[in-house]
Amino acid sequence: NAGVMQNPRHLVRRRGQEARLRCSPMKGHSHVYWYRQLPEEGLKFMVYLQKENIIDESGMPKERFSAEFPKEGPSILRIQQVVRGDSAAYFCASSSPAQGHIQYFGAGTRLSVL
Amino acid sequence: AQSVSQHNHHVILSEAASLELGCNYSYGGTVNLFWYVQYPGQHLQLLLKYFSGDPLVKGIKGFEAEFIKSKFSFNLRKPSVQWSDTAEYFCAVNPNTGFQKLVFGTGTRLLVSP
Repeated sequence: NAGVMQNPRHLVRRRGQEARLRCSPMKGHSHVYWYRQLPEEGLKFMVYLQKENIIDESGMPKERFSAEFPKEGPSILRIQQVVRGDSAAYFCASSSPAQGHIQYFGAGTRLSVL
Repeated sequence: AQSVSQHNHHVILSEAASLELGCNYSYGGTVNLFWYVQYPGQHLQLLLKYFSGDPLVKGIKGFEAEFIKSKFSFNLRKPSVQWSDTAEYFCAVNPNTGFQKLVFGTGTRLLVSP
């Protein structure tokens, strides 16, 4: 039973480029969450999505960041025009109402902006 | 501000020593509580959770945690640590606001020396 899969594991971008982070939830899970971990900090909630719907985006920066979870395919976290401050580890989690919405995490994508 | 606090940022123990990691939160009302562990290079794994009922919760790998509502605390304990427990430990709270986001503490890095 595959867990939450994130790719790429490491992503290097130059300032001004776009970063696309992908997350495939656990089988049977229809809820996805994105968190960001800055150096020496805990994980900070960004966005919570169900298939084709954004449920809570209260943690998303207002500009340059967007997320989607289409009917088919993985969830995508997109960062446009990256800046050095976007360098962080981005973690995805998924859950199912049938499992009490316990969140299971992927291994993360480490984004480095040069 | 509402938050989750882990007071010990770094802990160093010898094998067989007892462990207690503190976690305090500042949310009122009903909360769900979690401890996650992140072994080097791996994803976050759920150690244990508290939703309701017995405030003493047992998790995997010999860990347990006690929910003390009056102290807003959910401390993690293990009677005798092993070298393989070297990892980063995160306390997390779901404030039960109707959304499923988790609020994390900053984490505690545990180093167990053989």
